[in-house]
Amino acid sequence: AQSVTQLDSQVPVFEEAPVELRCNYSSSVSVYLFWYVQYPNQGLQLLLKYLSGSTLVESINGFEAEFNKSQTSFHLRKPSVHISDTAEYFCAIILTGGGNKLTFGTGTQLKVEL
Amino acid sequence: DTGVSQDPRHKITKRGQNVTFRCDPISEHNRLYWYRQTLGQGPEFLTYFQNEAQLEKSRLLSDRFSAERPKGSFSTLEIQRTEQGDSAMYLCASSLVSDSPLHFGNGTRLTVT
Repeated sequence: AQSVTQLDSQVPVFEEAPVELRCNYSSSVSVYLFWYVQYPNQGLQLLLKYLSGSTLVESINGFEAEFNKSQTSFHLRKPSVHISDTAEYFCAIILTGGGNKLTFGTGTQLKVEL
Repeated sequence: DTGVSQDPRHKITKRGQNVTFRCDPISEHNRLYWYRQTLGQGPEFLTYFQNEAQLEKSRLLSDRFSAERPKGSFSTLEIQRTEQGDSAMYLCASSLVSDSPLHFGNGTRLTVT
């Protein structure tokens, strides 16, 4: 069965510092990869996705993630975080041909401090 | 607002009562999904529909749970004889057919006392 591992449950970081949120996955078939963000008392919002093509994908608010097939990873990075980036971040996969059913990691709480 | 909407936002019920949640997907989306999220965990898949057909159910969905999407538009999720372990956030999402991103609603938070 497929799985997603987010080893860091909490990541504290100062504003304007860089951050990396780690995500590794396990699957016997090829996958599509996603990062979702969840602000307090809100639903999940798609941050970025990798379906095919360039392994480096970017979001409109400065986040980027790189798909590394050999390491089965899809780490999320931002060179300079803002206080408004404080949220929970979920990595997720869909098996190709798997009916669009997402499998999520347990999430990483990013807390940006002044 | 043309996003996914869920009603109610919060529900508090006593153990043993039945509850029903509603989800209205984005209008042109064929697929509708239900997920459950407990504290400290990522969302877990419960079931999904393509139009009115329920195509897959997770083993997490016990006999006390039933979901419907009678006309291929809105969906309801009913939990009968609620238990304290049912306390969670219930998330609905919708998408176009295969390989398109899921759009999530804000969820219904259920508390069973």
